[in-house]
Amino acid sequence: KAGVTQTPRYLIKTRGQQVTLSCSPISGHRSVSWYQQTPGQGLQFLFEYFSETQRNKGNFPGRFSGRQFSNSRSEMNVSTLELGDSALYLCASTRLEEGGVGYTFGSGTRLTVV
Amino acid sequence: AQSVTQLGSHVSVSEGALVLLRCNYSSSVPPYLFWYVQYPNQGLQLLLKYTSAATLVKGINGFEAEFKKSETSFHLTKPSAHMSDAAEYFCAVSPSGNTPLVFGKGTRLSVIA
Repeated sequence: KAGVTQTPRYLIKTRGQQVTLSCSPISGHRSVSWYQQTPGQGLQFLFEYFSETQRNKGNFPGRFSGRQFSNSRSEMNVSTLELGDSALYLCASTRLEEGGVGYTFGSGTRLTVV
Repeated sequence: AQSVTQLGSHVSVSEGALVLLRCNYSSSVPPYLFWYVQYPNQGLQLLLKYTSAATLVKGINGFEAEFKKSETSFHLTKPSAHMSDAAEYFCAVSPSGNTPLVFGKGTRLSVIA
């Protein structure tokens, strides 16, 4: 079956712009989480959505937001981009109803802010 | 709060040698523990997970890890390294199986021919 699909794979944006990243989870997975990966801070949790509701939120500024659609696809948005937002953004999905069997990750979107 | 410490940001082994990647965790409750591998320009792939069923967990690609509560450790091992094992490895903890993962800083494994 298809894995977690993230689009686009690569993005280059200018400081001050906004960006939207997309994530399609594995079929049947209703939980979608987002993580930011940078060389300095490592992997940090952004937020998690389940059934279109934000279930958990990490410690990121309000410029980072997300949403989930009825088909479980999720988007995250970053407004007023800063150079420090350059990172690999990873999406992960899981089937929460099974009590948690671990998260399956997508290949990520590499965002470069110039 | 949960945290994960991976000892050694870079480990280098010879092909055929034992691989040992160290992970220590702190958690106020019996945790779920995971090892993920990341190849260049790719996402994270689950190697194995501990969910309290058995302390010795076998994963993919010949990797295994042992949960030691007394040492709060979950070290990853593989008896014989292959060149294809060169990648970055992340240990992660979750207080339950379906709460956000807290990752260690990662260990980059190099395999020398």
